Amino acid sequence: GENVEQHPSTLSVQEGDSAVIKCTYSDSASNYFPWYKQELGKRPQLIIDIRSNVGEKKDQRIAVTLNKTAKHFSLHITETQPEDSAVYFCAAILSGGYNKLIFGAGTRLAVHP
Amino acid sequence: IAGITQAPTSQILAAGRRMTLRCTQDMRHNAMYWYRQDLGLGLRLIHYSNTAGTTGKGEVPDGYSVSRANTDDFPLTLASAVPSQTSVYFCASSEASGSFGEQFFGPGTRLTVL
Repeated sequence: GENVEQHPSTLSVQEGDSAVIKCTYSDSASNYFPWYKQELGKRPQLIIDIRSNVGEKKDQRIAVTLNKTAKHFSLHITETQPEDSAVYFCAAILSGGYNKLIFGAGTRLAVHP
Repeated sequence: IAGITQAPTSQILAAGRRMTLRCTQDMRHNAMYWYRQDLGLGLRLIHYSNTAGTTGKGEVPDGYSVSRANTDDFPLTLASAVPSQTSVYFCASSEASGSFGEQFFGPGTRLTVL
């Protein structure tokens, strides 16, 4: 079936450094790629998303890039802060899936002061 | 009610028992979803509903059933719980305008089946 692979599973950085999380997807017809952040004990929340008609999207310290040819997309966090520590999930929409998302397994990011 | 709520917050259940997890949203969203979250496996879709009166199967539907009698409520039922259904369950909703759109998650229900 369709799947989304996410790497790395854990990531540890120093405050102020950049963090990059990468995902690949299998459904070449996927056209929507959101990223969710889940803090410890909390619910997942959308932080940024990208549609297939653009290659990059930025929102302050967060950016997402998409390479449709290679079927991969990445989350970039610059100037990391301790409050960025959380689990991040990428996702891709199933073709014809009407908002049905396939999630990656998650990346646990730890930002050390 | 503000947003999307779930009940109970947590539950310990004996294997073989029937259990219904409740989910209610007040955002008038058309689409609703049930996910389970297990360590190392991310969020996996159990069942979904694009609009009241319709439901569909997700990635891991076996052992679960849902109903969507109205826009606001989307209960998830385990007919005969088994230990492998121990998980954190999240309900979510979205406007479902086309294929894009943010999914809003509930606070989750932690279910333990012994």
